[in-house]
Order: sequence, then structure tokens, then C-alpha cells
Amino acid sequence: EAGVAQSPRYKIIEKRQSVAFWCNPISGHATLYWYQQILGQGPKLLIQFQNNGVVDDSQLPKDRFSAERLKGVDSTLKIQPAKLEDSAVYLCASSPEASGYEQYFGPGTRLTVT
Amino acid sequence: AQSVSQHNHHVILSEAASLELGCNYSYGGTVNLFWYVQYPGQHLQLLLKYFSGDPLVKGIKGFEAEFIKSKFSFNLRKPSVQWSDTAEYFCAVRYTGGFKTIFGAGTRLFVKA
Repeated sequence: EAGVAQSPRYKIIEKRQSVAFWCNPISGHATLYWYQQILGQGPKLLIQFQNNGVVDDSQLPKDRFSAERLKGVDSTLKIQPAKLEDSAVYLCASSPEASGYEQYFGPGTRLTVT
Repeated sequence: AQSVSQHNHHVILSEAASLELGCNYSYGGTVNLFWYVQYPGQHLQLLLKYFSGDPLVKGIKGFEAEFIKSKFSFNLRKPSVQWSDTAEYFCAVRYTGGFKTIFGAGTRLFVKA
């Protein structure tokens, strides 16, 4: 079974630039998550999709972050404009429909904002 | 606010020593509990989980965890660690009244050979 795919793996941008991350979950997984993991901290949920609907985006900074999951499969997370404090690893995870929310994680995208 | 606390940020053990990593969560009703592990250079992966039933759960690689409801705790244990257990360990809690899973800050374990 193929795992969760993410790209790019690394990205360096200057502040005020925009950036986009892509995630392809495990085939058949209904739930998709985007997390932000700042160095020394645990993953923090940014947004959670159930199929192509949003079920939680309470911690997504909506003035600069946006995410979509078209057709209930892959997803894109965008930051526009980026700030220095957005430097982090962005993790994508997915869960099957009836898993009890056990999550399968991708390798992450390490973003550095200079 | 709902939160998860991991007591130790860094732990150093010698091989064959026993391990216990603490995890406490704030009260919020019924919970699903998880421990995830991230080995160097690898993805986060599930170590074990608790949903209901026997509060002592066993996971992969000889790890186990005990849910103590009265203490809001879900501590991870292993009787004898190996060098290959060097990794970062995250406790995570999903409050069943909502959708969100909350992660602790993680504990970095280094096992000396």
C-alpha cells in the first residue's frame, strides 16, 4: 500500500512570498489532515477534511492560509503572504473512514521563511 | 482548553533499561488515546492506541501503555529498551465530542548502546 505523498520536501522562500504544498493521501482514506509542526513542538492541526468538506479549521490562520481538497482526494495548502513564524514542517496525514482516527503521516514539507 | 502534556522533553537511557514516558491530558469527556513514534529520518507512525476496554494496551516493538482514567494519564512503557528505540515519541488525544486530535510536545529518547 502506497503511503501519504507530499511535495515538495523542502522549500525556502522570503517573507511576503507565497508557497503551496501538495498532499496525496492513501487511496480510499476519507479524512485528510494538515498539521504545522514548529521545531520543538508537537504537530498542531491546521485543517481537517472529511471527503471534500471541512470539519475543523479552527486553528487555520485564514488571513494567510488556505486549503482545498478537490474531489475528496488530494489536497493543497497555501500560504500567502508568508511570515517568518511560518517556518515549520507541514505534515499531511490521512485516515480511513472507520479507523477511529488512527492517522497515517506523510514525510512532511520543511518550510524556511527568510 | 484541551491540552496534552508530556513530562519529559529529553530522556537518555542505556540499553536494557526500563522506559516510562508520561502523558497527561486535560479533562474533556471520552477520549481516544494514541502514541506515535518518529524514528530518525522516518515518518510519524502509530505505536499503539486505546479506544475502550482493557486499559492496558500493547503496541508494536514491545511497547505498552496504560490508561488511568482517574489520573487522565496514558503513560508509555517498555521493560527493556534497545538502541533502535532512539526516536521521538508523541502522545495524542482525540476528544470524541469533536474531530480534532491534539498532540503533546514530544519526548526525544536517546538509547546508548
